[in-house]
Amino acid sequence: GAGVSQSPRYKVAKRGQDVALRCDPISGHVSLFWYQQALGQGPEFLTYFQNEAQLDKSGLPSDRFFAERPEGSVSTLKIQRTQQEDSAVYLCASSLQAPVGYEQYFGPGTRLTVT
Amino acid sequence: GDSVTQMEGPVTLSEEAFLTINCTYTATGYPSLFWYVQYPGEGLQLLLKATKADDKGSNKGFEATYRKETTSFHLEKGSVQVSDSAVYFCALRSGTASKLTFGTGTRLQVTL
Repeated sequence: GAGVSQSPRYKVAKRGQDVALRCDPISGHVSLFWYQQALGQGPEFLTYFQNEAQLDKSGLPSDRFFAERPEGSVSTLKIQRTQQEDSAVYLCASSLQAPVGYEQYFGPGTRLTVT
Repeated sequence: GDSVTQMEGPVTLSEEAFLTINCTYTATGYPSLFWYVQYPGEGLQLLLKATKADDKGSNKGFEATYRKETTSFHLEKGSVQVSDSAVYFCALRSGTASKLTFGTGTRLQVTL
């Protein structure tokens, strides 16, 4: 079946612009995660949803970052007033149920470049 | 807080050589441990996992054993192939936490 998809795959934004990154999880997956992967680094956790509820947003680096999943399926990560340090690959992952014991399936990522 | 340390890359090996990528961790409680692989142009894929001490995860000829006494989860393969060239990430998930904590990744390059 279809895996996790993300769009756009690449995004170039001028500093100060707002961006919205979309994640389509695997159908039926309850849990959804966002991670940020800087160049040459491992992914770092941003936020986690179970259905439409955002249960953990401890990794969001600033109040410019906002994520939503209003109907418990598709999720959007929004970054306001982008800055150069926001340049990274943003990864989305989904898992079938509550996370403990279930594999997280990753999408291909959105590469954001802020100029 | 939780953290994962893995050996710096790149690791360059000839085909059929033995591979070890070291991974050590710091975590509260008893974490689950994972190795993920990222092939060029593709997303992260789970390679193997272990959920308790002394468990051995294995897949595609790769193995890793959960060593609580040394807080390690080293990845090994007896004979690498060119197709194993990728970036390998060690990761953990603590207790009932939801998120994965990753190491910085180790790039493996296998040549003929």
